[in-house]
Amino acid sequence: SAVISQKPSRDICQRGTSLTIQCQVDSQVTMMFWYRQQPGQSLTLIATANQGSEATYESGFVIDKFPISRPNLTFSTLTVSNMSPEDSSIYLCSVEDLMGEGYTFGSGTRLTVV
Amino acid sequence: AQRVTQPEKLLSVFKGAPVELKCNYSYSGSPELFWYVQYSRQRLQLLLRHISRESIKGFTADLNKGETSFHLKKPFAQEEDSAMYYCALSAGSARQLTFGSGTQLTVLP
Repeated sequence: SAVISQKPSRDICQRGTSLTIQCQVDSQVTMMFWYRQQPGQSLTLIATANQGSEATYESGFVIDKFPISRPNLTFSTLTVSNMSPEDSSIYLCSVEDLMGEGYTFGSGTRLTVV
Repeated sequence: AQRVTQPEKLLSVFKGAPVELKCNYSYSGSPELFWYVQYSRQRLQLLLRHISRESIKGFTADLNKGETSFHLKKPFAQEEDSAMYYCALSAGSARQLTFGSGTQLTVLP
């Protein structure tokens, strides 16, 4: 299965600033997915990122707040912009294995906004 | 729209006892169902998918389309099974996962 390197693993940020999270995959994948896991809650899909096109955002998430880049088939970034304490969550990226064996997740970025 | 329901937020069983984690879904087509597990301080990892029909770490799950369920079962729970378990569904062309709210399983000694 694919191996994902996600960084940073955690960060504490001031409100009003932005943080960019990176995910690097060891194989080429068509789609990459970005999820948010708020404290004590399940995972919620933020957006799906295809290489060479704009990301598709789920209801409740907008590009101005969560801009995504997907410059090639092995890399993507998610930026959390103009942060507020409500953005404190774990953010995860995910890809579907090329062999169709399921989905692999990054280790997550634990973000705390103060 | 698809939806996954895990009715139990917390579940405790004693070591050696059977365990069943419930999962129900709603989707009009033919979904693909998964169970993911997250052990303490580890990343989310795939446990089972209904297509493979495998038994992993003694866990099995059968897709019941009539009851729209995909319950996870193990006949004899072990302490190392203590973890958060998420049921998830993949459907449609976009292939993203929809997760249930998760069940925290604690296996008591």
